Amino acid sequence: TQLLEQSPQFLSIQEGENLTVYCNSSSVFSSLQWYRQEPGEGPVLLVTVVTGGEVKKLKRLTFQFGDARKDSSLHITAAQPGDTGLYLCAGGLNNFNKFYFGSGTKLNVKP
Amino acid sequence: DSGVTQTPKHLITATGQRVTLRCSPRSGDLSVYWYQQSLDQGLQFLIQYYNGEERAKGNILERFSAQQFPDLHSELNLSSLELGDSALYFCASSVGGAGSHYNEQFFGPGTRLTVL
Repeated sequence: TQLLEQSPQFLSIQEGENLTVYCNSSSVFSSLQWYRQEPGEGPVLLVTVVTGGEVKKLKRLTFQFGDARKDSSLHITAAQPGDTGLYLCAGGLNNFNKFYFGSGTKLNVKP
Repeated sequence: DSGVTQTPKHLITATGQRVTLRCSPRSGDLSVYWYQQSLDQGLQFLIQYYNGEERAKGNILERFSAQQFPDLHSELNLSSLELGDSALYFCASSVGGAGSHYNEQFFGPGTRLTVL
């Protein structure tokens, strides 16, 4: 069982559509991060959310941290083919020296 | 460019052999993490070091070992290689430990290991 559960696992949409990816856990995280990975390359950090209820925007991407710091969501508005990739949420637990990655959401945006 | 370097970029070897993968973290980062990613799979956490000390272990096989040196670079040693060890191996670094507020990880480009 993954400590961070991501849904959906796969998402194939048309250019211009909106989408939301979810990252859920039963544990409280000190912070959560979102990464994007393209095939054959290392994940690239998109954003870190630290405060419960926090909302951060990065152009067409909106990230939200749950009030209880157990979950997060990533919303993409008007998706573009360049958004295609594997989206990973990740975080470390308070007072523990372990870092966890979700299993990922593979997004394909068709032109 | 994340500032994390990994060498070599590609490695092709035979079953039963031993290889060493090298990682240099970003300047100022004290933590180094190693991950394995097989084809179309998620990231599997192997091991983490902080300032030269092992801090956490994930699904790392006994045939694998790692260390972090005083200059903070790290090496991952893979021995008695099997076909199933073929994968991308990523190194990442962060300023602080995994549970801290400074745990944002920056990944290197990876080493693609092929075991024939």
